[in-house]
Amino acid sequence: KAGVTQTPRYLIKTRGQQVTLSCSPISGHRSVSWYQQTPGQGLQFLFEYFSETQRNKGNFPGRFSGRQFSNSRSEMNVSTLELGDSALYLCASSLETSGPYEQYFGPGTRLTVT
Amino acid sequence: SQQGEEDPQALSIQEGENATMNCSYKTSINNLQWYRQNSGRGLVHLILIRSNEREKHSGRLRVTLDTSKKSSSLLITASRAADTASYFCATARIQGAQKLVFGQGTRLTINP
Repeated sequence: KAGVTQTPRYLIKTRGQQVTLSCSPISGHRSVSWYQQTPGQGLQFLFEYFSETQRNKGNFPGRFSGRQFSNSRSEMNVSTLELGDSALYLCASSLETSGPYEQYFGPGTRLTVT
Repeated sequence: SQQGEEDPQALSIQEGENATMNCSYKTSINNLQWYRQNSGRGLVHLILIRSNEREKHSGRLRVTLDTSKKSSSLLITASRAADTASYFCATARIQGAQKLVFGQGTRLTINP
């Protein structure tokens, strides 16, 4: 089975721009979560989608949004980029059964905001 | 904000030695998980321990959980150079919840 894939792997944007990151979960996984990793704040939960609905949300401003499609693929969008948004964005998918369950992470998208 | 703290922040040992990392957390949990990350890449799930379990083994890994002290430890026995990575503990408060709260991680270096 193919793992979680994220595109693009690297991205450079300018302050004020917006960006869209994509995540394809493992086949059969319906839950997709997003995390931001920075040296200062570490790994922080952004949001989780299941069956096209946002089920959990972290403490991030409204500039961070996401969505999930019927095939479970997910996108996250960051509008009006700030320098502090530079980070590794990780997507994780999980098999929704009876829980608790492990999450399978993609390689991440490294976003640099200049 | 981070749920937990890991100790030590960095650990350097010789190949073949055992490595122990500790994790403390603040709130009640449903389960605690350990992940490994190599050089800023994706995380790899290592082991999950439920709140009603005290110890769990997987290959060279041994995890303990003390809910009264809100702490966990990860022991890697007979370390190898390939174990060099950052190790994170993550807690889930609710069964089935996909919202994991991570510690800051321990950077482990295995010297040949």
